[in-house]
Amino acid sequence: KQEVTQIPAALSVPEGENLVLNCSFTDSAIYNLQWFRQDPGKGLTSLLLIQSSQREQTSGRLNASLDKSSGRSTLYIAASQPGDSATYLCAVTPSGAGSYQLTFGKGTKLSVIP
Amino acid sequence: DGGITQSPKYLFRKEGQNVTLSCEQNLNHDAMYWYRQDPGQGLRLIYYSQIVNDFQKGDIAEGYSVSREKKESFPLTVTSAQKNPTAFYLCASSLTLTEYGYTFGSGTRLTVV
Repeated sequence: KQEVTQIPAALSVPEGENLVLNCSFTDSAIYNLQWFRQDPGKGLTSLLLIQSSQREQTSGRLNASLDKSSGRSTLYIAASQPGDSATYLCAVTPSGAGSYQLTFGKGTKLSVIP
Repeated sequence: DGGITQSPKYLFRKEGQNVTLSCEQNLNHDAMYWYRQDPGQGLRLIYYSQIVNDFQKGDIAEGYSVSREKKESFPLTVTSAQKNPTAFYLCASSLTLTEYGYTFGSGTRLTVV
């Protein structure tokens, strides 16, 4: 059964610092990996989607990488801002016909201190 | 704008009562999902539906029921058989092949009173 782990569970950084969030998964047979942001009491907002054939995706100050063979993904946030404070979740979609079930990590709670 | 609408935002249930959470999408997505989120446990899949009039159980389906009579709608009923229903419920949707990822709603917080 696929397991997704996110380390650290919580992270506090000063404003302006670059940071990396980690996500690892046990089964490399994935279709894609998606990073989400969740603000307290809110739903999930999709940040980046990486297909299994891709190595990385970029959106603004965010860059996500994928190393499927080692079962790892990282989310790099450049020049962090207080507005980046949220919980970041990664989720993988298994490969194979009819595979719909996302497997989520428990998230990394990020606090950016002004 | 296309998206997923969940209602209500907050819901209170009395002991022994059934309640229904609404989920509507205008993204023309084929598949829809219900997830439950508890502190420290991450998101767990309750039910999912790939097409109209068809749905499958996820990891924690006991005490829940769903219907999919229209492509746009996937309501979740929390029955009295669900002994610990207090949680945050999230609805999501995707295209059939999931190559474009998943879109989530803003959630419903259910509390037992």
